Amino acid sequence: DAKTTQPNSMESNEEEPVHLPCNHSTISGTDYIHWYRQLPSQGPEYVIHGLTSNVNNRMASLAIAEDRKSSTLILHRATLRDAAVYYCILRDRESSYGKLTFGQGTILTVHP
Amino acid sequence: DGGITQSPKYLFRKEGQNVTLSCEQNLNHDAMYWYRQDPGQGLRLIYYSQIVNDFQKGDIAEGYSVSREKKESFPLTVTSAQKNPTAFYLCASSKTSGVTGELFFGEGSRLTVL
Repeated sequence: DAKTTQPNSMESNEEEPVHLPCNHSTISGTDYIHWYRQLPSQGPEYVIHGLTSNVNNRMASLAIAEDRKSSTLILHRATLRDAAVYYCILRDRESSYGKLTFGQGTILTVHP
Repeated sequence: DGGITQSPKYLFRKEGQNVTLSCEQNLNHDAMYWYRQDPGQGLRLIYYSQIVNDFQKGDIAEGYSVSREKKESFPLTVTSAQKNPTAFYLCASSKTSGVTGELFFGEGSRLTVL
């Protein structure tokens, strides 16, 4: 399976934008890029996903590099509730089931 | 409200005992999954089921068993054969098993073996 690389941790101030990077240099043409986040002692929560084009939803934006070897999750205005572990995951379109391979993710700390 | 319910939230077990974790969903989802999370680590897939009466092993199925007799239920049994069962267990479901299907997770069950 193609792997992703994320920084172990990042910090932000409240109400400032946050850019969470993810490298996936071995991504295949059939891999979708998914982001989930996990608050302490809770199950992960879906954030966003994309294939080639940039995507926006109510939670975040996903910017995908033209060569698809990296992507960035953008939180436009961080709040204290955004403090979580953020996982960047590749899902193969060829997979017949919803296997998500979680790495260690990025721990986001938001300062008031 | 629709969602996934896991129980119990906390469970203690003595070595050598089997324990069953419950997972119920009322989202009418076809696919269900069990993941294990160890401290500071990502999630690892134990078992998954795409349809009633069918399930498949994930990456770390040894020492675990599941059943899928009803669409809404996917219980996980941690058997005495599981060498290191202390972990945080997460159940999830998705409408389809396709690559764009969003997974919905429960709040987890924390198992501690004494």
